[in-house]
Amino acid sequence: SQQGEEDPQALSIQEGENATMNCSYKTSINNLQWYRQNSGRGLVHLILIRSNEREKHSGRLRVTLDTSKKSSSLLITASRAADTASYFCATDDGGLDTGRRALTFGSGTRLQVQP
Amino acid sequence: NAGVTQTPKFRVLKTGQSMTLLCAQDMNHEYMYWYRQDPGMGLRLIHYSVGEGTTAKGEVPDGYNVSRLKKQNFLLGLESAAPSQTSVYFCASRISRGRDEQFFGPGTRLTVL
Repeated sequence: SQQGEEDPQALSIQEGENATMNCSYKTSINNLQWYRQNSGRGLVHLILIRSNEREKHSGRLRVTLDTSKKSSSLLITASRAADTASYFCATDDGGLDTGRRALTFGSGTRLQVQP
Repeated sequence: NAGVTQTPKFRVLKTGQSMTLLCAQDMNHEYMYWYRQDPGMGLRLIHYSVGEGTTAKGEVPDGYNVSRLKKQNFLLGLESAAPSQTSVYFCASRISRGRDEQFFGPGTRLTVL
């Protein structure tokens, strides 16, 4: 079963607007990661936030993590048409829950940025 | 560096046929993974390896086998393909320590008729 569930499933905005995607998960985590997937391509790592961190920034990306609510959000500021892609959250439990050092992915948010 | 590469990019099989997907990485990563991605879904872990000569099952291992004879290569085999195995397959790798991000290959689109 999917560990992370993204919300919304699809998001359409205008260039220059901010895009916010949310991720909820079920079990304890070591870290949470966000990945981007352009149509027909592999996933590319965007940002990682550890369980003892609450917020992290990277360029136009801002990630927050609330371990008490088991949720995370990804904010893309001043969006561009080139940001059009699917965005996935992935949780790493450090092997504590699943017994393996592997990521569990959510079903993703499809972001469409209109020029 | 080429990063993570996958061979082939596309393949069409008939039910019952077998094939092997090859993943190669040139980053000296210890951990390697095989995922499948179905429409509208995230990635599901099939098998993974934490080092040369070791493999382990993921979430959806049935119908697949893997081998990691060399550190840089991770092979995924389908012994008797079924239509339910129609999917896009992604390989990924990661350094065992330090950074936790995974690096993904471009994917193999497999159709089983």
